[in-house]
Amino acid sequence: DVKVTQSSRYLVKRTGEKVFLECVQDMDHENMFWYRQDPGLGLRLIYFSYDVKMKEKGDIPEGYSVSREKKERFSLILESASTNQTSMYLCASVAGGSDTQYFGPGTRLTVL
Amino acid sequence: GNSVTQMEGPVTLSEEAFLTINCTYTATGYPSLFWYVQYPGEGLQLLLKATKADDKGSNKGFEATYRKETTSFHLEKGSVQVSDSAVYFCARGGDSSYKLIFGSGTRLLVRP
Repeated sequence: DVKVTQSSRYLVKRTGEKVFLECVQDMDHENMFWYRQDPGLGLRLIYFSYDVKMKEKGDIPEGYSVSREKKERFSLILESASTNQTSMYLCASVAGGSDTQYFGPGTRLTVL
Repeated sequence: GNSVTQMEGPVTLSEEAFLTINCTYTATGYPSLFWYVQYPGEGLQLLLKATKADDKGSNKGFEATYRKETTSFHLEKGSVQVSDSAVYFCARGGDSSYKLIFGSGTRLLVRP
C-alpha cells in the first residue's frame, strides 16, 4: 500500500513565524501536491511538483513556497505565518500517468 | 470557478437508510470521476472511481455511475451504517492526468 506521511498532525505557531510542513511518500511517485482544506471550500491546490526541483503554482500559492529536493519529500513553507493560514493542510502523491491521488493524514495548523 | 458541485450538507440519516449524495461537473471532455471519503481526523481515501461514460464505480456498498448526458456522478448506498459517517468529496480529473478538481465536500452523519 502507498503510504503518505506528514510530519505533524497538529501544529500551533505565532504570527510571523516561519513554518515548515513536511510530506514523505514511499512509492516513488513523481507527482506531489499540497492542498488546504477549509469548511465550505473543499480542497484548494496550493502547489504541486511533477519532479525533483520542479514545481508549479496551484490555485492559491500566495503566502506559500515549496521545496522538493528529493523525490520522496515535498515541503510546504509559510515564510511568515498569518492567522488566515490557519487551516488543515493535506499532502498527496500520484504516480506519473495515473489519476489516483493518495493522501496523507493532514496537518491541522493554527496560527495565533 | 469550481467545476464540481456537490449537494450541501450535513446529510443526517438513520442507520440502514438509503443514501444519495449528488454531484455534477462541468468539463470540455470526458474526465475521470472520483469519490473520496474523509473519516474523522484522517486524510482523504479513494472510495471509487469511473473513467468513462456509463462506467459504474463501486466499493464498500457504495456505487456511482458516470452519466455523460446529465454530467453527474451521484453517490449511492442502499443501507448506511454509523461507520459511514464521514465527509465525502466528489472530484474530476483536471487538465492533466494527475491533477484533480474537488467539490466542496458533503458531511454525512448516520445515527444509530
